[in-house]
Amino acid sequence: DGGITQSPKYLFRKEGQNVTLSCEQNLNHDAMYWYRQDPGQGLRLIYYSQIVNDFQKGDIAEGYSVSREKKESFPLTVTSAQKNPTAFYLCASGQSSYEQYFGPGTRLTVT
Amino acid sequence: ELKVEQNPLFLSMQEGKNYTIYCNYSTTSDRLYWYRQDPGKSLESLFVLLSNGAVKQEGRLMASLDTKARLSTLHITAAVHDLSATYFCAVDRAGTYKYIFGTGTRLKVLA
Repeated sequence: DGGITQSPKYLFRKEGQNVTLSCEQNLNHDAMYWYRQDPGQGLRLIYYSQIVNDFQKGDIAEGYSVSREKKESFPLTVTSAQKNPTAFYLCASGQSSYEQYFGPGTRLTVT
Repeated sequence: ELKVEQNPLFLSMQEGKNYTIYCNYSTTSDRLYWYRQDPGKSLESLFVLLSNGAVKQEGRLMASLDTKARLSTLHITAAVHDLSATYFCAVDRAGTYKYIFGTGTRLKVLA
């Protein structure tokens, strides 16, 4: 089955720790994206990548980092510099600038 | 700055009734997307509207796009409880791979 997988589904961390969220796609899409969603809010773009070994900051990149070493994978690291990391994180992929397909999401709780 | 506004933000309606959700955006774009999100879940693609005058229908939902007015509508016909969800529109920033999401419309259909 083609699709996007994110792991883990739920993640709990102590304040001050870095944490990496996984995103994998087998849709052969060039572009991949990371979004953050806070309760009752829309989605905000953190980082995106149009091709392997290249990525750009979105609207709220501070405190986050990414890598794109393989076409299929786009992991997101939430660093200790992110002031308020508790949120629902969604990964998406797409071909060219058309429709984006979303993964199931990771709910991160930092205490 | 590209802004995408939806209204209403909340909508409670009786089963069997019709209603329209509006999505206004502030700058030129020829592509608009509608997504559905169930509580605690990811986003599911509903419609992709790629040109002025585009109209798409699926079941009780119909979406349209007027690029001159910078307006898209999502019309619900004879609502049923299963349509209860949050609906987002998204516009891609011209010449980029990036979406801006609307604030979302939380729809509750009462039996």
